[in-house]
Amino acid sequence: DSGVTQTPKHLITATGQRVTLRCSPRSGDLSVYWYQQSLDQGLQFLIQYYNGEERAKGNILERFSAQQFPDLHSELNLSSLELGDSALYFCASSEGGANTGELFFGEGSRLTVL
Amino acid sequence: AQSVSQHNHHVILSEAASLELGCNYSYGGTVNLFWYVQYPGQHLQLLLKYFSGDPLVKGIKGFEAEFIKSKFSFNLRKPSVQWSDTAEYFCAVGGYNKLIFGAGTRLAVHP
Repeated sequence: DSGVTQTPKHLITATGQRVTLRCSPRSGDLSVYWYQQSLDQGLQFLIQYYNGEERAKGNILERFSAQQFPDLHSELNLSSLELGDSALYFCASSEGGANTGELFFGEGSRLTVL
Repeated sequence: AQSVSQHNHHVILSEAASLELGCNYSYGGTVNLFWYVQYPGQHLQLLLKYFSGDPLVKGIKGFEAEFIKSKFSFNLRKPSVQWSDTAEYFCAVGGYNKLIFGAGTRLAVHP
């Protein structure tokens, strides 16, 4: 158990819909990262937050947005869903920035868009 | 821009065989290098990491990696694999606020 909690574990929805994925970081970790893992794209970095502020952005689509709340949990919002958005979405947390330490990953939220 | 390249997408070995997984990176500054492992149905977890110092890094479960700066490489090795090493292995480079992963290598170890 990494200490990072992601909900829901599985989600099936239709194209055009909107979903929200939730992540609770390890106790004491201020940084939260979101990654998308798909068969053809591998593990893609989406976005990072540190203590409520966006710190780094990767290959995140404009249809996707995220935020980190004062209690440090984070949500990833995916809208106008397309078939290609089907993937495993991982959240990770760390004490500081990614370059300074280990990331602790949750078990992921598997999104299926039909 | 940062990038990580893993040479092998799928590797199949018999138990007790030696393992070497290649990883090359490109990054314009000081890098921190990592290998993560994802066992079937589980989350990613850290195998080992390199920040500075001795370029030969030892990790958990008998894995080690060697940082060769001149070759921009950070290859993962294990002298003798076990069936329980069946997993997907990811090389990653850490820059400012980002951890960039390679595409991963799926390792299957047959008894």
